[in-house]
Amino acid sequence: GQQVMQIPQYQHVQEGEDFTTYCNSSTTLSNIQWYKQRPGGHPVFLIQLVKSGEVKKQKRLTFQFGEAKKNSSLHITATQTTDVGTYFCAGTNQAGTALIFGKGTTLSVSS
Amino acid sequence: DGGITQSPKYLFRKEGQNVTLSCEQNLNHDAMYWYRQDPGQGLRLIYYSQIVNDFQKGDIAEGYSVSREKKESFPLTVTSAQKNPTAFYLCASTLRAANTEAFFGQGTRLTVV
Repeated sequence: GQQVMQIPQYQHVQEGEDFTTYCNSSTTLSNIQWYKQRPGGHPVFLIQLVKSGEVKKQKRLTFQFGEAKKNSSLHITATQTTDVGTYFCAGTNQAGTALIFGKGTTLSVSS
Repeated sequence: DGGITQSPKYLFRKEGQNVTLSCEQNLNHDAMYWYRQDPGQGLRLIYYSQIVNDFQKGDIAEGYSVSREKKESFPLTVTSAQKNPTAFYLCASTLRAANTEAFFGQGTRLTVV
């Protein structure tokens, strides 16, 4: 079945450093979504990318969708302790009826 | 307030017992989903439903059952056939198709002893 792979699984940074997580799909995606889950919480939607090569920014977060629509990345500039959590990418299955999630990247930040 | 509610937050059961996890939404969303989360495994899809009285198996449906008798409700039963039921279970909904924002409940942490 369709797989969405994320790397790295874990990342520790010093506050102020940048952070990037990468997402790769075995098939072309119609769109990709990103979610953040705080420790002890539930996933919360961040953004959806639809167009090939699309780049979107939310304050210190930059999201990219690859030209071939098979990969995506999330980049955080100058991390803060509030960025701690697990970041998931998700794509729809081939039928477009369900979201398939990557395993996530867990970010820890030390001050 | 509109949202998606899972109950209870924590649930303990003895091995061999079936247990049903509740998921209710008042967002008027058509589609609902159940995911299981284990450390390092991400979110794995158990079952999903696009409309009332219809549902499909996800990647790890064995040992689970669901029903969708009402648009607002999508309960998940963890049966005794599920070999490793202890996990964090998340329910989600989307307005229509899966290519729209998913809203998640707070989750139910099930522990089977």
